[in-house]
Amino acid sequence: NAGVMQNPRHLVRRRGQEARLRCSPMKGHSHVYWYRQLPEEGLKFMVYLQKENIIDESGMPKERFSAEFPKEGPSILRIQQVVRGDSAAYFCASSPFRGWYGYTFGSGTRLTVV
Amino acid sequence: QQPVQSPQAVILREGEDAVINCSSSKALYSVHWYRQKHGEAPIFLMILLKGGEQKGHDKISASFNEKKQQSSLYLTASQLSYSGTYFCGTEISGPGSGGGADGLTFGKGTHLIIQP
Repeated sequence: NAGVMQNPRHLVRRRGQEARLRCSPMKGHSHVYWYRQLPEEGLKFMVYLQKENIIDESGMPKERFSAEFPKEGPSILRIQQVVRGDSAAYFCASSPFRGWYGYTFGSGTRLTVV
Repeated sequence: QQPVQSPQAVILREGEDAVINCSSSKALYSVHWYRQKHGEAPIFLMILLKGGEQKGHDKISASFNEKKQQSSLYLTASQLSYSGTYFCGTEISGPGSGGGADGLTFGKGTHLIIQP
């Protein structure tokens, strides 16, 4: 079992470009969560998805950020027109059920905006 | 609302014990504990559900006081491998309850350094 796979591990974008972060959950896990982490900060919840549905996006900025988890393929976190403040580590986690289960995290994507 | 963890950092010698606390201002459904080493993914340690339970495996255990909305993580006879940042994550509602954010809310973390 390969665990939660995130790619790329490191991503450098110029201001104004688009960033696409991918996450393949563990086999058998249908719940996906995206978190953002800044240095010396905790993990901040962004969005919770199940296959083809966004369940809760209350932690995601309303502009420039979007997420999807299609029927086939990985979950995608998309950041349009990136700004320097978007630089952070973005972690994806998955679980087999909602509640009662711990999350399995991926190794994260470190986004740097120059 | 973000749970508050204490202490922010602790330095121990190998073999000593540590307690990390996590407090919430809201009634909790569950508390998760994770450990993260620098540059790596957070690793799940354990989950405690409301009902005031205590859990443990090996030399790491935790308690959950539902009335006080607090959880504590206990590390006994610490090993070098225990070094890292410990995060608690809280849920204010259970599945299907329809209330609150559905993702975990994490504290800022407690840095634990174990020295030989």
